[in-house]
Amino acid sequence: AQSVTQLGSHVSVSEGALVLLRCNYSSSVPPYLFWYVQYPNQGLQLLLKYTSAATLVKGINGFEAEFKKSETSFHLTKPSAHMSDAAEYFCAVSDREYSTLTFGKGTMLLVSP
Amino acid sequence: DTEVTQTPKHLVMGMTNKKSLKCEQHMGHRAMYWYKQKAKKPPELMFVYSYEKLSINESVPSRFSPECPNSSLLNLHLHALQPEDSALYLCASRVGLANTGELFFGEGSRLTVL
Repeated sequence: AQSVTQLGSHVSVSEGALVLLRCNYSSSVPPYLFWYVQYPNQGLQLLLKYTSAATLVKGINGFEAEFKKSETSFHLTKPSAHMSDAAEYFCAVSDREYSTLTFGKGTMLLVSP
Repeated sequence: DTEVTQTPKHLVMGMTNKKSLKCEQHMGHRAMYWYKQKAKKPPELMFVYSYEKLSINESVPSRFSPECPNSSLLNLHLHALQPEDSALYLCASRVGLANTGELFFGEGSRLTVL
């Protein structure tokens, strides 16, 4: 069985500060990992995905994530937070065979001026 | 066109009503999904269709009845729901079930059961 754990249900940063959202995975097979963002009352939008190509993955809106097998981690970062980044962020894992996504519990990013 | 369109955006229904949620995509995707999302929780998988056939049913109560009339359309028929079924229902699509690409999500239908 595969799963992801997101550390911290809420993360608060100041505008312009580094954003770091943590995700650790558990998978018996090489995982496919995703970060999605959800703005209030909206669906989910893909930020980036890891599918065993490059370990450093760049996504939209200046976000990136690094796949670290030794740490079973796929943390999401952004060098400088913007007010518009305030949203819920979900890490998700998919196994190769069934291709259904298993989501983490989510992290709410709060950005203060 | 990279959109998944869901209607209605909001639905209020009584426990004896019958209603349907609709989802449409024109990206040529052959896998379509229904997820349920309660407030402050991650999405939970309900159903997966692949090539218009039901592939996965995550032990969803029979008061939820999915239907995939064609490759572009996915419905969720609702009957005799309970107040605890109130949630955001998200539709998603993917190129194919065996594909590792992203899921494209609609904006959801927010259901309130009175």
